[in-house]
Amino acid sequence: DAKTTQPPSMDCAEGRAANLPCNHSTISGNEYVYWYRQIHSQGPQYIIHGLKNNETNEMASLIITEDRKSSTLILPHATLRDTAVYYCIVGSDKRGANNLFFGTGTRLTVIP
Amino acid sequence: EAQVTQNPRYLITVTGKKLTVTCSQNMNHEYMSWYRQDPGLGLRQIYYSMNVEVTDKGDVPEGYKVSRKEKRNFPLILESPSPNQTSLYFCASSPRAGRWGAPLHFGNGTRLTVT
Repeated sequence: DAKTTQPPSMDCAEGRAANLPCNHSTISGNEYVYWYRQIHSQGPQYIIHGLKNNETNEMASLIITEDRKSSTLILPHATLRDTAVYYCIVGSDKRGANNLFFGTGTRLTVIP
Repeated sequence: EAQVTQNPRYLITVTGKKLTVTCSQNMNHEYMSWYRQDPGLGLRQIYYSMNVEVTDKGDVPEGYKVSRKEKRNFPLILESPSPNQTSLYFCASSPRAGRWGAPLHFGNGTRLTVT
């Protein structure tokens, strides 16, 4: 199963764009890249996912490099409520299950 | 409102006293799963269910049981809890499973302490 590498922590000024990087150099051709976030000890919240093309929704944008070995999650205008741990995950088909491997993620702190 | 509901939110118990953590989803999802979260270890999958009456072990199934008699419910059972099962537990559901499965919807968690 492909694993991901993320920086353990990042800061971002309120109102600025937050760019969270993720490396997934062993990703296979059919595996999606997912991003979730977890605020305090609440349940993880789905943000966005993609396969090859860049994706955008109401929460964020996902930029995937052409070789698919890395990606960047962009929060265009970070607010204090975006302070959370962000998980970059590559989908696994282990035993056919939706067993997404959540590592330790990136702790994003939005600073006033 | 579409949601995954876990109960209880907090539970303190003693070693060996059987307990059940309930999980219910109202989205008609086929797939459900239990995770535990411990400091420095991220989320680890305990058990999952692809559909009614179909369950399978995740990465850390020892000491846990599950059942899936109805599509909406997926209880987690600790027959004889031990202190190393003290953790934050999350239930999750998804419309379908697989490599290109749909995103997971998580409950708000159950914080279990076993003394």
